[in-house]
Amino acid sequence: DTAVSQTPKYLVTQMGNDKSIKCEQNLGHDTMYWYKQDSKKFLKIMFSYNNKELIINETVPNRFSPKSPDKAHLNLHINSLELGDSAVYFCASSYGSTGELFFGEGSRLTVL
Amino acid sequence: KQEVTQIPAALSVPEGENLVLNCSFTDSAIYNLQWFRQDPGKGLTSLLLIQSSQREQTSGRLNASLDKSSGRSTLYIAASQPGDSATYLCALSWWNTGNQFYFGTGTSLTVIP
Repeated sequence: DTAVSQTPKYLVTQMGNDKSIKCEQNLGHDTMYWYKQDSKKFLKIMFSYNNKELIINETVPNRFSPKSPDKAHLNLHINSLELGDSAVYFCASSYGSTGELFFGEGSRLTVL
Repeated sequence: KQEVTQIPAALSVPEGENLVLNCSFTDSAIYNLQWFRQDPGKGLTSLLLIQSSQREQTSGRLNASLDKSSGRSTLYIAASQPGDSATYLCALSWWNTGNQFYFGTGTSLTVIP
């Protein structure tokens, strides 16, 4: 029973398209995140979100938008995809003051 | 800007050796520090979490320590095994960043049988 699950695992698309990646957690956590891992394997936070607050990293283009239908889900929508968006996107979640992060398996996005 | 540095970027050791991975940071007002491992093509697996009031945590052959005054954390792996081969990442959150963790660049570990 996967704790943090993402779909799809692989996504190949053309420049200019719009795509979404879904994330679900069954840990009862109150905060969810999206991270981007670039070709050099560096992980950078994009968003953190709980039911009260969305925190956006200022370097994230506004083509990226998180959408949370409920506490257990945080989807990532990307408009007008660019070549530089190719990366692995990781969803994560945490709870309360310990803030221990749990990650999904990642979604590899390739923009052609 | 919070900076997290991991040196070396890559490390190769023979099986059975004890080893230490390093994680350095510039701001000592840490909230949490977490060590992860990442296998190729996989997600991140949490190894140990150290909260700001703690100095170390242990799990099996792993021991992580935190020295806020020197801006350093170490992950000690005892009696290394080939299955320990992976990339090890440290991540920190600070009081002024809330639940947002910032990652180091990782150390790629290879344990040679």
